[in-house]
Amino acid sequence: GEDVEQSLFLSVREGDSSVINCTYTDSSSTYLYWYKQEPGAGLQLLTYIFSNMDMKQDQRLTVLLNKKDKHLSLRIADTQTGDSAIYFCAESSTGGYNKLIFGAGTRLAVHP
Amino acid sequence: SQTIHQWPATLVQPVGSPLSLECTVEGTSNPNLYWYRQAAGRGLQLLFYSVGIGQISSEVPQNLSASRPQDRQFILSSKKLLLSDSGFYLCACSGGNQPQHFGDGTRLSIL
Repeated sequence: GEDVEQSLFLSVREGDSSVINCTYTDSSSTYLYWYKQEPGAGLQLLTYIFSNMDMKQDQRLTVLLNKKDKHLSLRIADTQTGDSAIYFCAESSTGGYNKLIFGAGTRLAVHP
Repeated sequence: SQTIHQWPATLVQPVGSPLSLECTVEGTSNPNLYWYRQAAGRGLQLLFYSVGIGQISSEVPQNLSASRPQDRQFILSSKKLLLSDSGFYLCACSGGNQPQHFGDGTRLSIL
């Protein structure tokens, strides 16, 4: 079945780059997404990439997609303390209606 | 742009009591609407989705139900809450092939 996997925790120093990785199983996913969740809040859409793209850049965020390996990554340049949050990877489901399958989330901790 | 309102923000309920969580959407028409639950320290589990008024699809068997009485209103209900219903409930909305956007969530604690 459809599944999305992420590492659970990442710790980086302020100013360094963070790379959060995700693998998915559904090769027919049309879009892949990154969401950010701050403590006690809902999910904020950070960025998404169409499956026929390899890379998408948006200011400090770079998304890389390796469709052959079904691997998605999110790179955050110059990581700041405000980037501390849980980051969810999600793939669009072949079930239709824009249903998403989410990973368990990666907790990013940024320390001085 | 669309705005998603959820209330209440937090709720403490005794076991066996009923539940009604409401989600309303502004800035879009005929959206797809979704209810998710997030258990503590876990990812999101899709509970229900709706593609139109009165149309509800359930993803997992559970103690909850959903209704969509109006185009931009989505309600999550239970007749008798269980301890296992505790969690963070999120409503989401999407239009066409647009990404899902989420409300701020309701934190439900069952005592």
